Amino acid sequence: GAVVSQHPSWVICKSGTSVKIECRSLDFQATTMFWYRQFPKQSLMLMATSNEGSKATYEQGVEKDKFLINHASLTLSTLTVTSAHPEDSSFYICSARLDRVNEQFFGPGTRLTVL
Amino acid sequence: GDSVTQMEGPVTLSEEAFLTINCTYTATGYPSLFWYVQYPGEGLQLLLKATKADDKGSNKGFEATYRKETTSFHLEKGSVQVSDSAVYFCALSPFYSSASKIIFGSGTRLSIRP
Repeated sequence: GAVVSQHPSWVICKSGTSVKIECRSLDFQATTMFWYRQFPKQSLMLMATSNEGSKATYEQGVEKDKFLINHASLTLSTLTVTSAHPEDSSFYICSARLDRVNEQFFGPGTRLTVL
Repeated sequence: GDSVTQMEGPVTLSEEAFLTINCTYTATGYPSLFWYVQYPGEGLQLLLKATKADDKGSNKGFEATYRKETTSFHLEKGSVQVSDSAVYFCALSPFYSSASKIIFGSGTRLSIRP
């Protein structure tokens, strides 16, 4: 139980285009999901906290207009990287919190490469 | 601000060797401390946790003790197996975080030789 999926697992896009990444909790409902970014050989950096039915809370330094987050249902949160540039290339990881145990369960990540 | 520092990898050991991966933290008050593991091609999984000083978290033969005096949470295992090969992340959740915010270390890649 407590499985989180991400789609796609990897994506390559051209500079200036937008890319959407989906995060789904497959066997539980999650009012809160989290989006992280990981650079090579570095730690996961929290980008934003996604709350079902309300606006996401962004960490300091994260552009909310560039990284659009939508948590439209209790099992799905999406991250859209708008007008992507090569510096946005990274590994994006989501997690979903299972409230009854107050634990985050992580997706396998999405590797984004912007050409 | 709060942060986690863990030993750089990669760490390569022979099967049945003793493992220690060092982790220290900087935080206000009493954070919760975690070790996560990421096996190849999979998402991060919680390996063990400790929520207060002197607590010992344990799972799958791994142990870590919350040491407030040294601000450390070192991961240990007495006899590693090939199947333990993975990336290990030390992490903390600040005591003031009501939304389970987690701050991660940079990760340590562990490779076990048969």
